[in-house]
Amino acid sequence: AQSVTQPDIHITVSEGASLELRCNYSYGATPYLFWYVQSPGQGLQLLLKYFSGDTLVQGIKGFEAEFKRSQSSFNLRKPSVHWSDAAEYFCAVGIKAAGNKLTFGGGTRVLVKP
Amino acid sequence: DGGITQSPKYLFRKEGQNVTLSCEQNLNHDAMYWYRQDPGQGLRLIYYSQIVNDFQKGDIAEGYSVSREKKESFPLTVTSAQKNPTAFYLCASSINTGNTEAFFGQGTRLTVV
Repeated sequence: AQSVTQPDIHITVSEGASLELRCNYSYGATPYLFWYVQSPGQGLQLLLKYFSGDTLVQGIKGFEAEFKRSQSSFNLRKPSVHWSDAAEYFCAVGIKAAGNKLTFGGGTRVLVKP
Repeated sequence: DGGITQSPKYLFRKEGQNVTLSCEQNLNHDAMYWYRQDPGQGLRLIYYSQIVNDFQKGDIAEGYSVSREKKESFPLTVTSAQKNPTAFYLCASSINTGNTEAFFGQGTRLTVV
């Protein structure tokens, strides 16, 4: 079965600094990859997705992610963090052969210092 | 506007009572999903349905039941057999063929006392 690991439970970053969130997955083939963001008490919003093609994908709110097949990773980055980026971020893996179900990582909570 | 509506946003129930969470979508999506979220554990799949009148168990289906009588509706019942029902429940939907991007509702926080 596939699995997703987000090694960092919490990350604190200063406003204006860069941010990188790590995501590693375990699966025999290339899955579909997603990053979602969740504000407290809210649902999840899709930031970006990777299905195939260019391994560097751009998303909303200035986020980007890079798929590295050799490392089974899909790390999320933002060059300059804004206070409104404080939230919880989830990496997810989707596999069509498994009924299009998503498997989520445990999440990384991002705190932004002024 | 198109989207997924979960109701209610907050729900309180006494231990031993069954409770049903509503999820409605007007995106014309074939697939719908229920996830449970607990602090530090990410989201775990309870049940999913790829087509009307059909559904499959996810990773933590024990103590839950669902139905899919209409394409736009996928209610979740939390039964008294669920040992730890207090959690945040999220409903999602996706186009079933190929594109697996899921759209989420705003969630229902269930508290059992």
